[in-house]
Amino acid sequence: NAGVTQTPKFQVLKTGQSMTLQCAQDMNHNSMYWYRQDPGMGLRLIYYSASEGTTDKGEVPNGYNVSRLNKREFSLRLESAAPSQTSVYFCASNIDRLAGELFFGEGSRLTVL
Amino acid sequence: AQKITQTQPGMFVQEKEAVTLDCTYDTSDQSYGLFWYKQPSSGEMIFLIYQGSYDEQNATEGRYSLNFQKARKSANLVISASQLGDSAMYFCAMRGARGGGADGLTFGKGTHLIIQP
Repeated sequence: NAGVTQTPKFQVLKTGQSMTLQCAQDMNHNSMYWYRQDPGMGLRLIYYSASEGTTDKGEVPNGYNVSRLNKREFSLRLESAAPSQTSVYFCASNIDRLAGELFFGEGSRLTVL
Repeated sequence: AQKITQTQPGMFVQEKEAVTLDCTYDTSDQSYGLFWYKQPSSGEMIFLIYQGSYDEQNATEGRYSLNFQKARKSANLVISASQLGDSAMYFCAMRGARGGGADGLTFGKGTHLIIQP
């Protein structure tokens, strides 16, 4: 079982470049999330999608956009990358926004020079 | 707003000893859930255990148990008979009630546990 799949796993960008992180889940989950993890900060929620067709801001949404393409896929876009966006990004999903644990992808390590 | 506090940035424990990782939380919700995740050096997030705020018994999953003290707003993770493979970052997380703020889980900053042989 693939679970939650993120691509790419590693990416190096220059300041001002754009990129999209892709996430797909094969568990028929309704809710999907994007988190970032920085040293000493734990995981912080960037955006989430409670169900197909809806997206909402989390704790740290500035500089990011998201698209819930369909029930399986939830992408995160950096329009103009900044060094402060250097981080490890995790996509996660769960069956319902208020039930069950989150299932995480393996993470995507992004470095912005 | 919800908040999770993990006061132990790092811990060293001898193999086979029991370990308690501290977690306190702050919420105004009456209904909430508490989670623990493990993150080994390989980086993936592994779900360990869940406790609902209305659960009368402490949750257990194999060598993991959650010491839930609702009045003190604490949800400590206990690992019995620690093993070298338990060395990892451990995160406490919380989900609030329906309609209470942003969805998803609120995470603490984590505790880095190192098991020594």
